[in-house]
Amino acid sequence: DQQVKQNSPSLSVQEGRISILNCDYTNSMFDYFLWYKKYPAEGPTFLISISSIKDKNEDGRFTVFLNKSAKHLSLHIVPSQPGDSAVYFCVAGGTSYGKLTFGQGTILTVHP
Amino acid sequence: KAGVTQTPRYLIKTRGQQVTLSCSPISGHRSVSWYQQTPGQGLQFLFEYFSETQRNKGNFPGRFSGRQFSNSRSEMNVSTLELGDSALYLCASSSGQGIAVYTFGSGTRLTVV
Repeated sequence: DQQVKQNSPSLSVQEGRISILNCDYTNSMFDYFLWYKKYPAEGPTFLISISSIKDKNEDGRFTVFLNKSAKHLSLHIVPSQPGDSAVYFCVAGGTSYGKLTFGQGTILTVHP
Repeated sequence: KAGVTQTPRYLIKTRGQQVTLSCSPISGHRSVSWYQQTPGQGLQFLFEYFSETQRNKGNFPGRFSGRQFSNSRSEMNVSTLELGDSALYLCASSSGQGIAVYTFGSGTRLTVV
């Protein structure tokens, strides 16, 4: 049972354009969400988070949008840079859960 | 401050053996979680320890076990290794309370031959 789904295994974007990574979830118990970035042979690195009581959180080039009614969130990267090329994981957490549930990841490639 | 430290980075074991992996969390963090990453299954939650007690457990067989010490350092043990246990094992630490951001270590790459 995949509770966090990233339906696009990969995304290719031109440098300077917007990257939009999407994520859907099924469990209403999740009350916060995070995006992590991962390079091969390294642990995931935290990017940005959003609480379920908000619909948007922004940090520099990264913005996360949450649509609770649709159980959907997205990560926008503007402008995209070649160094952003990595695997991006959508992650859900619950303050009463004590664990993180990861999506399958989306491979982002930003071309110069 | 120092990040999450996992040792060893790489490990090769034969089927049937057992292995112990170590994780030192960020100073002050009381929660340590373990995850298994494989190409087919992605990142799967193993278990979480908070203040020396297992607080959450994923869907892994009893061959996978862990513990946490009073200084919050954690160890994960896998007994009777199988080929399918080959994976990147990641440890993450957090405050363990509220909306917690988890900081991951670089992982231990375990290869079972």
